[in-house]
Amino acid sequence: DSGVTQTPKHLITATGQRVTLRCSPRSGDLSVYWYQQSLDQGLQFLIQYYNGEERAKGNILERFSAQQFPDLHSELNLSSLELGDSALYFCASSVALAGYEQYFGPGTRLTVT
Amino acid sequence: GDSVTQMEGPVTLSEEAFLTINCTYTATGYPSLFWYVQYPGEGLQLLLKATKADDKGSNKGFEATYRKETTSFHLEKGSVQVSDSAVYFCALRTTYGGSQGNLIFGKGTKLSVKP
Repeated sequence: DSGVTQTPKHLITATGQRVTLRCSPRSGDLSVYWYQQSLDQGLQFLIQYYNGEERAKGNILERFSAQQFPDLHSELNLSSLELGDSALYFCASSVALAGYEQYFGPGTRLTVT
Repeated sequence: GDSVTQMEGPVTLSEEAFLTINCTYTATGYPSLFWYVQYPGEGLQLLLKATKADDKGSNKGFEATYRKETTSFHLEKGSVQVSDSAVYFCALRTTYGGSQGNLIFGKGTKLSVKP
């Protein structure tokens, strides 16, 4: 158990809908990363937050957004969902901005039908 | 941009066989290198890491050496077990420009070990 929790574990929704994925980092970790794992693209970095502020962006679509709250949990919002958004979404946390080990949560499996 | 290339799978071995999974990278600067493992239905776990050239990371019988001259970080294990069956990801981490320590992953190599 990494100490990172993600909810829900599974999510099935229809095209055009909007969903919110939640991540709680390990106690004491200030940095949260979101990654997407899909069959065609592999594991890709989406976005990073540190202590409530966005710090880095990867291959994140404009339809996707995220935030980190004062209690340090983070939410990834996916809107206008398309079939191609079906994937495993992982959250990882680390103690500081960079240079420290990232601990991964169990992931949320999103299926868009 | 930075990238990681690892050997295509799946790899199927018999128990106690020798394992090598090749990984090469392209990066600006001096990245840290990692191997992560993903067991079925679970998230990623850090297996081992190396932060500078010639460092050897090791854990649970797995080893990998950071080779700057060949830009490689091949994963090896002398004698695999059925419980090693999983997907293995090679990854690098850089800190420059807009990147703040995010990981860049290879495509993953699925290992199946038969008894």
